[in-house]
Amino acid sequence: GAGVSQSPSNKVTEKGKDVELRCDPISGHTALYWYRQSLGQGLEFLIYFQGNSAPDKSGLPSDRFSAERTGGSVSTLTIQRTQQEDSAVYLCASSPMGRDYGYTFGSGTRLTVV
Amino acid sequence: QKEVEQNSGPLSVPEGAIASLNCTYSDRGSQSFFWYRQYSGKSPELIMSIYSNGDKEDGRFTAQLNKASQYVSLLIRDSQPSDSATYLCALSGGSYIPTFGRGTSLIVHP
Repeated sequence: GAGVSQSPSNKVTEKGKDVELRCDPISGHTALYWYRQSLGQGLEFLIYFQGNSAPDKSGLPSDRFSAERTGGSVSTLTIQRTQQEDSAVYLCASSPMGRDYGYTFGSGTRLTVV
Repeated sequence: QKEVEQNSGPLSVPEGAIASLNCTYSDRGSQSFFWYRQYSGKSPELIMSIYSNGDKEDGRFTAQLNKASQYVSLLIRDSQPSDSATYLCALSGGSYIPTFGRGTSLIVHP
């Protein structure tokens, strides 16, 4: 596709429910990142995928968070047993492999846990 | 722990003036530096990247990098009200995982 696509754009869920957020990166981009941004806060790194290598999960805040990337393309971020503090905008970004060209962000998923 | 520091602002400048945004960082191993613009309610958009010491110009934007002093700056010439946004500084090293600053809010008033 022309850009990074994220779905859904908005998600309201009840506390304790599981949610899945999807990211479809730019075609050919081998690097994929998940960040989250709470209201008025900076970008918090969550997880990084590079090609078929094992992901860097060092930013995941708890074991309720997990992510996978199928076929080196689409990625799904799953949050189990959601809590109110999980409310944030979840942003996905992708980048070409190799030199650091910068990152193209999707429009994000706004998650609200009620 | 990588630290990226930015003044949160807001930085207020009149239309037509030069806006100067600054960022300092702690990791001397940082190799790639970026400036992103984020409008309220939108996702960040890459506007400049710089990799070596000195200045890099692109239209009204100039990025400046000084690795010895560990700072990177963004100059916006002939500022327009449409430039009003939050500007995020980001950098990465060999791990290719960027660290973002919390951003500086810029307000350009007519």
